[in-house]
Amino acid sequence: DVKVTQSSRYLVKRTGEKVFLECVQDMDHENMFWYRQDPGLGLRLIYFSYDVKMKEKGDIPEGYSVSREKKERFSLILESASTNQTSMYLCASSLDSYEQYFGPGTRLTVT
Amino acid sequence: QKEVEQNSGPLSVPEGAIASLNCTYSDRGSQSFFWYRQYSGKSPELIMSIYSNGDKEDGRFTAQLNKASQYVSLLIRDSQPSDSATYLCAVTTMMRDSSYKLIFGSGTRLLVRP
Repeated sequence: DVKVTQSSRYLVKRTGEKVFLECVQDMDHENMFWYRQDPGLGLRLIYFSYDVKMKEKGDIPEGYSVSREKKERFSLILESASTNQTSMYLCASSLDSYEQYFGPGTRLTVT
Repeated sequence: QKEVEQNSGPLSVPEGAIASLNCTYSDRGSQSFFWYRQYSGKSPELIMSIYSNGDKEDGRFTAQLNKASQYVSLLIRDSQPSDSATYLCAVTTMMRDSSYKLIFGSGTRLLVRP
């Protein structure tokens, strides 16, 4: 079974703080993805990575950056958190680009 | 903007009935199609994938694909209250560098009444 884990289930941060969300997968998958999910807007792709040290912007990269120093780990960074970044953040991994497996999600609240 | 459309629901069916969930997509070049189930407060779980026209069955679930009509559906037979969840349709779309990404619909909420 694919196992994707995320560092926190719930997180509360203040406006302006730097926030790190970590994702680890144990299936040696090449591809990893970060999404956010908001009511009525569905899942939106923030960033993805097809290899170590490689990153590509998704549909809504503004205000976010990512890091992939090891194959199994993909981090999402909010450089200066804002209230409009309050959301559910979901990490996914896949062997190819197609069947993606999600972690449990991190519900981030920025106050 | 390439899109995946789903009726938000809720779709309410009695226990034991067949639930039919539908999805249309705009990108004629899409090749791979997926259904995810998401329980409230949880992350999406992949339940079906389909790559060619026709039907694909897995237990109580049947995925149906019609590329000409750009339509994909999920049938759930003998619906159970535990099937109550939001079902997300996801479709691959090609990006500028010829790689693929998934586009998700906003989901259909299914409610199975005991």
